[in-house]
Amino acid sequence: QQPVQSPQAVILREGEDAVINCSSSKALYSVHWYRQKHGEAPVFLMILLKGGEQKGHEKISASFNEKKQQSSLYLTASQLSYSGTYFCGTASLSSGGGADGLTFGKGTHLIIQP
Amino acid sequence: DGGITQSPKYLFRKEGQNVTLSCEQNLNHDAMYWYRQDPGQGLRLIYYSQIVNDFQKGDIAEGYSVSREKKESFPLTVTSAQKNPTAFYLCASSIDRARGYTFGSGTRLTVV
Repeated sequence: QQPVQSPQAVILREGEDAVINCSSSKALYSVHWYRQKHGEAPVFLMILLKGGEQKGHEKISASFNEKKQQSSLYLTASQLSYSGTYFCGTASLSSGGGADGLTFGKGTHLIIQP
Repeated sequence: DGGITQSPKYLFRKEGQNVTLSCEQNLNHDAMYWYRQDPGQGLRLIYYSQIVNDFQKGDIAEGYSVSREKKESFPLTVTSAQKNPTAFYLCASSIDRARGYTFGSGTRLTVV
């Protein structure tokens, strides 16, 4: 079963912040976050592992609430280059922790305007 | 530089034809995956392989076949049994489950 991402789309002005959420009905081993530009391959942003953690990468960070099986991606002071579609990919404990492949959400379209 | 190479970038298939999509990696990754992407659907897993000479069906394997004869290569064949093959196909690899995936640049398949 696919994780549920929200919102489906976001339009921001440059410099504004955004939060993208990912929620699963399964007990998770990890949550991955990827960004995809139109017609290109998804690019790995970060992975959060079981145990509940937060990670940061420049102005992009994420959290993983293991009890709720939810993850959030935070984009701070957004730049034009942040535009694209963001996907979360989840690895459940029952799927070998991701060895059997990730299950991806349907994506969140992020548009940053000047 | 290490990475994943998918070819061709664009592929056109006639009704009833089988076509093979190439995926080659030089990252020395054990695990390789094939995903299908349709507009608004996210990525759906077709097949995966954790080791040479072994592969498993994913969520939407019907109408597809794969082989893993070499660590570097994981080709996907779209058979005539796949009734709606028009999609963007992505190959990925991973060194272990605690690391992210590296994706190829994709093959866009269109039925004509």
